[in-house]
Amino acid sequence: AQKVTQAQTEISVVEKEDVTLDCVYETRDTTYYLFWYKQPPSGELVFLIRRNSFDEQNEISGRYSWNFQKSTSSFNFTITASQVVDSAVYFCATLSGSARQLTFGSGTQLTVLP
Amino acid sequence: DAGVTQSPTHLIKTRGQQVTLRCSPKSGHDTVSWYQQALGQGPQFIFQYYEEEERQRGNFPDRFSGHQFPNYSSELNVNALWLGDSALYLCASSFGVGMNTEAFFGQGTRLTVV
Repeated sequence: AQKVTQAQTEISVVEKEDVTLDCVYETRDTTYYLFWYKQPPSGELVFLIRRNSFDEQNEISGRYSWNFQKSTSSFNFTITASQVVDSAVYFCATLSGSARQLTFGSGTQLTVLP
Repeated sequence: DAGVTQSPTHLIKTRGQQVTLRCSPKSGHDTVSWYQQALGQGPQFIFQYYEEEERQRGNFPDRFSGHQFPNYSSELNVNALWLGDSALYLCASSFGVGMNTEAFFGQGTRLTVV
């Protein structure tokens, strides 16, 4: 079975600070994908990033970056120079070959204060 | 290009009643998945439809059923509503059922059972 743990329930930062959201996943599959989604108050889940299990290269995309480490089963997400519009609930999720359905963590509520 | 659209946006039902939620996928998508998101939690997978058949099902009782139409739109039906069925119901569409496919989510239907 797949499991995703987001230990941080709520985080508050001041605008322009960097913030890292933690995610730990569990899966028995060797082939899987990891995702980060953003959910603003409107409710729609917005896709942010996707990574497959064979690519541990960490990348930066604009103000977003992620750190994928298979050795610790972690897939952390960093927002650089946070903005008030980044305030939302962020979900980490996994999708694997044996269970082709997204399994989500419980989410982290990020509040960016002006 | 319209994204995933869901209707209605809000719904109030009485315990024991039945409800039907609707989803139109993003243009070009042929697969629809439904998720239930209770307050303060991550989305939970209900089931997935592809080629008008239920392809996968999460850990939900038979009171939850669905349908996919030839135009790829989908319905989620819940019978004998419980208070615990109160949640945000999210629809996601994608192309095909492969792992390397991006799911787009609608804004959801907020169901309140009283």
